[in-house]
Amino acid sequence: GQNIDQPTEMTATEGAIVQINCTYQTSGFNGLFWYQQHAGEAPTFLSYNVLDGLEEKGRFSSFLSRSKGYSYLLLKELQMKDSASYLCAVQGGSYIPTFGRGTSLIVHP
Amino acid sequence: DTAVSQTPKYLVTQMGNDKSIKCEQNLGHDTMYWYKQDSKKFLKIMFSYNNKELIINETVPNRFSPKSPDKAHLNLHINSLELGDSAVYFCASSQATSIAVREQFFGPGTRLTVL
Repeated sequence: GQNIDQPTEMTATEGAIVQINCTYQTSGFNGLFWYQQHAGEAPTFLSYNVLDGLEEKGRFSSFLSRSKGYSYLLLKELQMKDSASYLCAVQGGSYIPTFGRGTSLIVHP
Repeated sequence: DTAVSQTPKYLVTQMGNDKSIKCEQNLGHDTMYWYKQDSKKFLKIMFSYNNKELIINETVPNRFSPKSPDKAHLNLHINSLELGDSAVYFCASSQATSIAVREQFFGPGTRLTVL
């Protein structure tokens, strides 16, 4: 089975940097995804990591350490529109992503 | 040019009824999924289906059944609806490669309310 853990809620200030952590335990590993979900909307893809290291994409970066079962999503230059839930999803041996419970990020002025 | 579409967007029904939710994707993907998102926003896989196999989450009651008339459609049938079935149901699709399944594209969701 799989176990995915991420903080329930985080708050940050506009313009700041925030790091959302995700730890996981899985039998088999075929990648880790981060998705963003605004209230009342569908999740949208942000990043995919399958090898160790940092993947940067604009203001968002995602890091993976397979040996530690650990990932983080780094959001820079926070904007109000970044207020959303951030979902960590691990793809195990079955290639079906399992989602964590999500981290609700609140960005305030 | 919607990528993944679902109908209806809202569904309100009585306990004990049978209902269906339709899903269509025009991305040419070979794998489709159904997820249930409860009031605590936990997104839980229900089914995964491609043209080769159906993978069912063993915790899903057999009142729920996916039906795929073709590669672009995966409908969800629910029999004898219960109060606990109230949730948002998301359809998603992805293109499996020889290496790994890539990102999923989600439909807008169907908010099911059982009274």
